[in-house]
Amino acid sequence: GENVEQHPSTLSVQEGDSAVIKCTYSDSASNYFPWYKQELGKRPQLIIDIRSNVGEKKDQRIAVTLNKTAKHFSLHITETQPEDSAVYFCAASIPYTPLVFGKGTRLSVIA
Amino acid sequence: DSGVTQTPKHLITATGQRVTLRCSPRSGDLSVYWYQQSLDQGLQFLIQYYNGEERAKGNILERFSAQQFPDLHSELNLSSLELGDSALYFCASSVSGLAGTGELFFGEGSRLTVL
Repeated sequence: GENVEQHPSTLSVQEGDSAVIKCTYSDSASNYFPWYKQELGKRPQLIIDIRSNVGEKKDQRIAVTLNKTAKHFSLHITETQPEDSAVYFCAASIPYTPLVFGKGTRLSVIA
Repeated sequence: DSGVTQTPKHLITATGQRVTLRCSPRSGDLSVYWYQQSLDQGLQFLIQYYNGEERAKGNILERFSAQQFPDLHSELNLSSLELGDSALYFCASSVSGLAGTGELFFGEGSRLTVL
């Protein structure tokens, strides 16, 4: 089955700086890569996703890149703000199988 | 509000006991997923139901079972509870029965504490 590794487990950045979270996956058949944000005490919510036929996707201050050859994908947050502080989860799925999540990255944005 | 309702929000029980967690998916969603979130372990997939039938099974212990009813709500039954079962249990729903094809909408979770 699929296995997803996520790094770093914790990340602290100054407000306004960029944050990058990286994930690797094991199964080259995976074709869907979403990112979920979980604020403290809240439910995970989808913030962006990418499919294997696309190399990069942006949505305002967030972007995701995918390198299929290396089997890794990354989340980039620019101009970080205090409200970006949360736990971020990457995930991957082989077609028609449930998402496999990474263990999460706790991002702290310091004002 | 995701539209996914989970009850109870908090539950404290003793080892050896049995509990039932309940989930109502978003209106129109036929798939229900159960995930377990333990400290530093991310979100572990347990089981998926689609329109009343089991669709996929993950790392679900034999002491755990689930079902989805005709009205599409789902229940996760946890029995012979152990201390290590303490976790946050999330239910999520999606429109499609094909896992990995779209957004999961998570409920607020049920926090289980086993003493």
